[in-house]
Amino acid sequence: DAKTTQPTSMDCAEGRAANLPCNHSTISGNEYVYWYRQIHSQGPQYIIHGLKNNETNEMASLIITEDRKSSTLILPHATLRDTAVYYCIVRLLNAGKSTFGDGTTLTVKP
Amino acid sequence: GAVVSQHPSWVICKSGTSVKIECRSLDFQATTMFWYRQFPKQSLMLMATSNEGSKATYEQGVEKDKFLINHASLTLSTLTVTSAHPEDSSFYICSATHRNQPQHFGDGTRLSIL
Repeated sequence: DAKTTQPTSMDCAEGRAANLPCNHSTISGNEYVYWYRQIHSQGPQYIIHGLKNNETNEMASLIITEDRKSSTLILPHATLRDTAVYYCIVRLLNAGKSTFGDGTTLTVKP
Repeated sequence: GAVVSQHPSWVICKSGTSVKIECRSLDFQATTMFWYRQFPKQSLMLMATSNEGSKATYEQGVEKDKFLINHASLTLSTLTVTSAHPEDSSFYICSATHRNQPQHFGDGTRLSIL
């Protein structure tokens, strides 16, 4: 699996968009970008994934650069409940398992 | 959405006893289940991968005789921590997936060995 790099921590004001970056410069052509988040003392929650096109669902949007070496997870209107550790994972679609890095601790402030 | 249930959510037991943790996929058939361990302020570490009806594949450094994994059906996998000791105290998390679908995780089991 390709290695990912994320900032250790970020703050965001409640109601504003939270933009979480992830670098994955060694991603291979058939590897997908997955995002999960882990709220304190809970299991990780799947957010979104994509290959090369931008993706949007009810939780977030995923923007992948054209060269696929980086991506950004966007929470359009952050709430206090979005405070969590966000993990960016790159892997093959059929790899099954996910290898977790250290993630980004997002703190949403009132 | 896909739901994975993990039980118990919290267990305290004496050193030397064995503890069994159950992981169930409630609304889908999980072709593969995974077991992770997470120590305080650290990320998740994959322990093993199990496919229904076959032996689990353990990650390097994980003792297969200590962490027994059984994946007897497409909806149930169990992790048994045998002869648990205080250093086995951790947050254990299972996840399940069906073919190429994303992994979905249980809410974890906090294990404390006294």
